[in-house]
Amino acid sequence: GESVGLHLPTLSVQEGDNSIINCAYSNSASDYFIWYKQESGKGPQFIIDIRSNMDKRQGQRVTVLLNKTVKHLSLQIAATQPGDSAVYFCAERRNAGNMLTFGGGTRLMVKP
Amino acid sequence: KAGVTQTPRYLIKTRGQQVTLSCSPISGHRSVSWYQQTPGQGLQFLFEYFSETQRNKGNFPGRFSGRQFSNSRSEMNVSTLELGDSALYLCASNPGSSPGMNTEAFFGQGTRLTVV
Repeated sequence: GESVGLHLPTLSVQEGDNSIINCAYSNSASDYFIWYKQESGKGPQFIIDIRSNMDKRQGQRVTVLLNKTVKHLSLQIAATQPGDSAVYFCAERRNAGNMLTFGGGTRLMVKP
Repeated sequence: KAGVTQTPRYLIKTRGQQVTLSCSPISGHRSVSWYQQTPGQGLQFLFEYFSETQRNKGNFPGRFSGRQFSNSRSEMNVSTLELGDSALYLCASNPGSSPGMNTEAFFGQGTRLTVV
């Protein structure tokens, strides 16, 4: 499959546990943040987004937390499943238009 | 609704050649962005086109160029290929038109370019 990062930080969790993936962003002017999931051989897939005027947003089994004070974003996945195994990227939008700046990614491995 | 379509999926080129990659966005989406993904540099923004105009540009040399057609389909071109251009090139389609709209980008599966 596609190699999306040979030396990515890796988070290994047991199936059924909760996962927390963290991301630091750099620009305090960023107004929109997205989490993407990328499986081998595929393009990034949207998971959840959050605007800078919010600090928490929940989806199905996923929650994104935004701490603008320390410029930190986290993705929480509840009851992690083997299908959640992938590389996860955070992305921030810094200016007008749709240009996204991506973090380096975290590889999530789910042990059955 | 069809997703973002990128062609070709795989491409092998020789150093010095040029290459053109194609992207068809989701129907109704007017914004198309291109990204380069490598193991070393991760996902890096190349450029964004909206209504046939380049709206944003990343920090890549002039060998990388793009365009967008009236039907929103986009192409990117890399001239004088170098070994370091080997990467997965991803196209993202976005419905957002005004700067205040926050909408996620939908990605295609990418074109894997190998330069030998």
